[in-house]
Amino acid sequence: DTEVTQTPKHLVMGMTNKKSLKCEQHMGHRAMYWYKQKAKKPPELMFVYSYEKLSINESVPSRFSPECPNSSLLNLHLHALQPEDSALYLCASSQDSIISGANVLTFGAGSRLTVL
Amino acid sequence: AQSVTQLGSHVSVSEGALVLLRCNYSSSVPPYLFWYVQYPNQGLQLLLKYTSAATLVKGINGFEAEFKKSETSFHLTKPSAHMSDAAEYFCAVSEGSGGGADGLTFGKGTHLIIQP
Repeated sequence: DTEVTQTPKHLVMGMTNKKSLKCEQHMGHRAMYWYKQKAKKPPELMFVYSYEKLSINESVPSRFSPECPNSSLLNLHLHALQPEDSALYLCASSQDSIISGANVLTFGAGSRLTVL
Repeated sequence: AQSVTQLGSHVSVSEGALVLLRCNYSSSVPPYLFWYVQYPNQGLQLLLKYTSAATLVKGINGFEAEFKKSETSFHLTKPSAHMSDAAEYFCAVSEGSGGGADGLTFGKGTHLIIQP
């Protein structure tokens, strides 16, 4: 299995809703990432988990809450979002090993979020 | 901080013509460099990576890139464009040493248009 699976593919939510995005990989990767991508823009790094511990938080607002329950799963909990948070949210994973050399990220297809 | 600059937000070529997408990097240390492709409404797919093993890197779908330290460049080429190559292309640099759970910093992207 060489895929990163993201669910749901599309999500519409109101500003008072609580929802979650889910990401799963079975490649034995120990690093997992959340990126945010606005239309016609490059992906922007939000969070990095290394061995299930949060290692990078790129000053993301607290209305986004990541969670890594185990080495295969990554969640992004959403609460009290704003319309400007509407974007494509991409999950990625990598081996996270200095021995492996360049850290190649494998991306999922993304979850397209619309906040009304 | 490491960064990449992609010259040209849009590139248009005729089917069968040479594809050249430009990327220049800024790094204080030898970088790990990547090219990713994104088709509409999809995630990012790795085309190729530079890890200092060889300056000419061959990737998938007939693409290749050459690392030129003197020009701080990592341009992507394909000898003969195909209609299926129409997509968004991102050059990226590893944010850290490249061996651990480092995120990637992406260029702004180049939209490749293939004219029939």
